Amino acid sequence: QSALTQPPSASGSPGQSVTISCTGTSNDVGGYNYVSWYQQHPGKAPKLMIYEVSKRPSGVPDRFSGSKSGNTASLTVSGLRAEDEADYHCSSYAGINNLVFGGGTKLTVL
Amino acid sequence: QLQLQESGPRLVKPSETLSLICSVSGGNIASTNYYWGWIRQPPGKGLEWIGNIYYTGSTYYNPSLKSRVTISVDTSKNQFSLKLSSVTAADTAIYYCARGPRLGIRRDFDSWGQGTLVTVSS
Repeated sequence: QSALTQPPSASGSPGQSVTISCTGTSNDVGGYNYVSWYQQHPGKAPKLMIYEVSKRPSGVPDRFSGSKSGNTASLTVSGLRAEDEADYHCSSYAGINNLVFGGGTKLTVL
Repeated sequence: QLQLQESGPRLVKPSETLSLICSVSGGNIASTNYYWGWIRQPPGKGLEWIGNIYYTGSTYYNPSLKSRVTISVDTSKNQFSLKLSSVTAADTAIYYCARGPRLGIRRDFDSWGQGTLVTVSS
């Protein structure tokens, strides 16, 4: 199975919005509404930010939003803050109890 | 508050078996509402799902690792474990244990251990 494709890096200035993409196939992202996004600060464990494409767990700011179109899912961070600087990983259900992750995107707040 | 803690050898020789335990506190591993999983991350790289287990012992593995992976659960100790056989340097990674909500085909993880770096080297 192939990993989902994410850009290696993304950046934005404080207060701006940035969108990170996650491209898969019809066998994963495009076939199911079970895309998740994780935030990972250096040396820390990942933290769930979005599940089922666009739902936020309790406690996650509404500055974080998710969407999907075809085989590509997206995470948008609005009103960028310094603490948003981290790695972001997407994942998708890939059928037959299978799960696939993306390669991760390093978000830099300029 | 739920806590997950990985434990096990930090150094494993090539061709041997990597063994890790995840100890769960602040929650019951036998809950019908959750499944438990292992995910790894090679240094500087992305995450890779290894497999999941439900408290009944039902398991689901990454097809690319399935031939070498065994995940088991010990409800009496509130622990689950990972064994990865015939390891090579490519298996060097931070290994995380995590919990996921058992709702339909959701496969996300809402609580994670801190992770443990396992190095494969002679």
